[in-house]
Amino acid sequence: QKEVEQNSGPLSVPEGAIASLNCTYSDRGSQSFFWYRQYSGKSPELIMFIYSNGDKEDGRFTAQLNKASQYVSLLIRDSQPSDSATYLCAFTGGATNKLIFGTGTLLAVQP
Amino acid sequence: DTEVTQTPKHLVMGMTNKKSLKCEQHMGHRAMYWYKQKAKKPPELMFVYSYEKLSINESVPSRFSPECPNSSLLNLHLHALQPEDSALYLCASSQGPILSSLSYEQYFGPGTRLTVT
Repeated sequence: QKEVEQNSGPLSVPEGAIASLNCTYSDRGSQSFFWYRQYSGKSPELIMFIYSNGDKEDGRFTAQLNKASQYVSLLIRDSQPSDSATYLCAFTGGATNKLIFGTGTLLAVQP
Repeated sequence: DTEVTQTPKHLVMGMTNKKSLKCEQHMGHRAMYWYKQKAKKPPELMFVYSYEKLSINESVPSRFSPECPNSSLLNLHLHALQPEDSALYLCASSQGPILSSLSYEQYFGPGTRLTVT
């Protein structure tokens, strides 16, 4: 079983819709979860982090964490074409607390 | 300010060359990282420095040699690379050390696009 599972997409949503990105992880001991956005040819940009069960909102972004189900998601409200990018979920885990990435979901917001 | 800077932006080198990548942060972060990223893949961890000491080497070939001259700077020395080493090399930093029971957000620099010919 992979440590982090993400649907590779592409996930296509119309402009103004809610985009929902999902991620499951295998390490029950994981404490910290991160969402990075990566535009083509650019470096990953941290957009959200969440440490506790529940929801965390920042502007148009909401991260949701359910440790019992080992599930983390990112909702993007009022999606814009500029949100089109690959979204990487990551968590810290293992004995060394390294950052472990999923393979990323490509989001395409259609004007 | 969460800025990590990297130089150069692009680098083309032959297999017999020696070159260095540089990374700098002025956020007072105590952990710094080198990652390698191939197209359409997530970043792969190469090295971690914690309080200027090498704490993790992910079995990286010796043709990659990291150096941390001080708490703000991180270098990656390259020698006798292979074409398959062509990739985006990313530096990142975080406030606290890895191997801690706490987790800290990692911030990435813009990367160096390396091409080995």
